[in-house]
Amino acid sequence: AQSVTQLDSHVSVSEGTPVLLRCNYSSSYSPSLFWYVQHPNKGLQLLLKYTSAATLVKGINGFEAEFKKSETSFHLTKPSAHMSDAAEYFCVVSGSSNTGKLIFGQGTTLQVKP
Amino acid sequence: AAGVIQSPRHLIKEKRETATLKCYPIPRHDTVYWYQQGPGQDPQFLISFYEKMQSDKGSIPDRFSAQQFSDYHSELNMSSLELGDSALYFCASSRDRGSAFFGQGTRLTVV
Repeated sequence: AQSVTQLDSHVSVSEGTPVLLRCNYSSSYSPSLFWYVQHPNKGLQLLLKYTSAATLVKGINGFEAEFKKSETSFHLTKPSAHMSDAAEYFCVVSGSSNTGKLIFGQGTTLQVKP
Repeated sequence: AAGVIQSPRHLIKEKRETATLKCYPIPRHDTVYWYQQGPGQDPQFLISFYEKMQSDKGSIPDRFSAQQFSDYHSELNMSSLELGDSALYFCASSRDRGSAFFGQGTRLTVV
């Protein structure tokens, strides 16, 4: 079975400092991994995805994530946080190679302080 | 670019009533997914359709049913509503097992 674990339920950074949101996955096959962001009372927006091409994936808004098979990790990073980055972030794995259903991590709340 | 459209955006129902949520996927997308997100929770997969046929099923209560129509829009029908059904319901669509794009969601409140 496929699963993801987000290691931090809450991360607080100062504006302009780096962001690191940690995610570990478990998959019985080569996984597709995603990061989605959810702003308050908004829908889920795709930040980036990994589908077995390059291990370093660049997404929107300056975010990127690195797939490390040896560590079963897919951590999300950004060099410099903006106030507008404050939101809930979900690490997601494709739960089935056939249907593409998504299995979400528990989410990480990113707080950005001025 | 066209996105996933969900309607209504907000819905208030009483216990034991029935609700119908609608989803219009991105044009030419062949798969529709439904997710339920309770307060402070991560989205939970309910059900999916590929080319109008049910393709996968998650933790969807027997009181819920869904279908995808010939024009690819999908409806989630919920009967005998309970207070615990209050949640944000997301629809997503994808093409060729690609990335899923989510709608804005329908916030259902059961009172």
